[in-house]
Amino acid sequence: DTGVSQNPRHKITKRGQNVTFRCDPISEHNRLYWYRQTLGQGPEFLTYFQNEAQLEKSRLLSDRFSAERPKGSFSTLEIQRTEQGDSAMYLCASSSPMGTEDTQYFGPGTRLTVL
Amino acid sequence: AQTVTQSQPEMSVQEAETVTLSCTYDTSENNYYLFWYKQPPSRQMILVIRQEAYKQQNATENRFSVNFQKAAKSFSLKISDSQLGDTAMYFCALRQNQAGTALIFGKGTTLSVSS
Repeated sequence: DTGVSQNPRHKITKRGQNVTFRCDPISEHNRLYWYRQTLGQGPEFLTYFQNEAQLEKSRLLSDRFSAERPKGSFSTLEIQRTEQGDSAMYLCASSSPMGTEDTQYFGPGTRLTVL
Repeated sequence: AQTVTQSQPEMSVQEAETVTLSCTYDTSENNYYLFWYKQPPSRQMILVIRQEAYKQQNATENRFSVNFQKAAKSFSLKISDSQLGDTAMYFCALRQNQAGTALIFGKGTTLSVSS
């Protein structure tokens, strides 16, 4: 059973560029979450998918952010016109469809640096 | 609004000793889950222990145990026989008892274990 994987692990970009991150959840997990973690802080929720449906979005997810999960498997998170304040670790987590236990398992994250 | 507070930004302990990390939370829900996650330096977040609020018995996982005080809204983590590999950032997190809801994290406690 492979864990949650994320690519790339690191991304350095210039302000104003667009970036896209990918998350592959644990294979049988139908729930997928994106979080953002800035230095010295705990992760903050961005958005949640159940299968291909995006069911919840945080107010942190500005119009420049978009997330998709087209076939209910992997997910992408795109940031358009990046700003220096977007520099953070972007974490993906997935959880099982079994009941309400719903323990979330995290990937290694993508560290974004906006210059 | 749900909040999680970790009042100890940093802690240190010697190998083989016992250390307790504090966490308090606030929620209006009566049924919820509490978690401790561990994030080693430059490595992914992993689940340490989970507690269902409706269970009075404190959860235990090998050297890790919790002291769950529901009335006081307190959820501390005790690490016994500390090992060098326990060095990490520890996050306390709260989630409603509803599948697909986001984790609310504290700011974390950095634990250093020395020989």
